[in-house]
Amino acid sequence: DTGVSQDPRHKITKRGQNVTFRCDPISEHNRLYWYRQTLGQGPEFLTYFQNEAQLEKSRLLSDRFSAERPKGSFSTLEIQRTEQGDSAMYLCASSLEGATSGDTYEQYFGPGTRLTVT
Amino acid sequence: RKEVEQDPGPFNVPEGATVAFNCTYSNSASQSFFWYRQDCRKEPKLLMSVYSSGNEDGRFTAQLNRASQYISLLIRDSKLSDSATYLCVVNQNSRDNYGQNFVFGPGTRLSVLP
Repeated sequence: DTGVSQDPRHKITKRGQNVTFRCDPISEHNRLYWYRQTLGQGPEFLTYFQNEAQLEKSRLLSDRFSAERPKGSFSTLEIQRTEQGDSAMYLCASSLEGATSGDTYEQYFGPGTRLTVT
Repeated sequence: RKEVEQDPGPFNVPEGATVAFNCTYSNSASQSFFWYRQDCRKEPKLLMSVYSSGNEDGRFTAQLNRASQYISLLIRDSKLSDSATYLCVVNQNSRDNYGQNFVFGPGTRLSVLP
C-alpha cells in the first residue's frame, strides 16, 4: 500500500495525558498537512510542512500542540495535557510541490487517528 | 461569518435526479478551489478541482464565480453511489511565499434514494 498511512488508528486517553500520532506520507510527496475533524464539520487546517520546514500554523494550534517532520519524510503530532475538547479525528494529508509557490496539487488523505479523551 | 459556507443539507434525492451544491467563501485572496467527497467514517478524497472557466468531469460540473466568491457543484443523473458528504475547499495560498492554508467548508450531505 503506497498511500498515506497513520498510526494509531484509534487512541483513548485520559485527560491530562500526552499523546503522539504518526503520519507517513506518500514517499515522493514533500508537502504534508495536519487537520482536525469533528462530527458534522469539515476538516480544520492545523499545520503544513514543506519537506522538514513547518511553513504554516493555524491559530487553532495551541501551545499544547506540536508537530515535527525531522527528516522531511514522516511527521508526528503531539498533544500535551490532553483535554476533552481535543477529542476528534486527526487527519494527515500529503501532496506534491507545485512548480511555483502558487501551484497547488491534490492532497491525499490518510485514514486518520480517532482520539477520545475521557 | 465563516470563511467557507455551504448549503446546510442534507439533500435527499431520487436516483437520476440532478442536484446542485453551493459554496461561498469570504477571502477574496483565495486562489485555488476544490470539491472533495467524504464517505461516512472515511477520509476525504478529491472529486475535482474548480477552474475559473468552469469544468466538467462526466456527470459532475464545477463552476467558479470570483466576483461573487461563489462555487457550485452540479451532479447529473445521480447514482446511489454518489451518496456522501461533499466538501468545498478553498486554498488561500500566497504567491509571495510557500504558505498554504486550506479551508474546508462544513460539507453538504447527499443521500441518493432508490
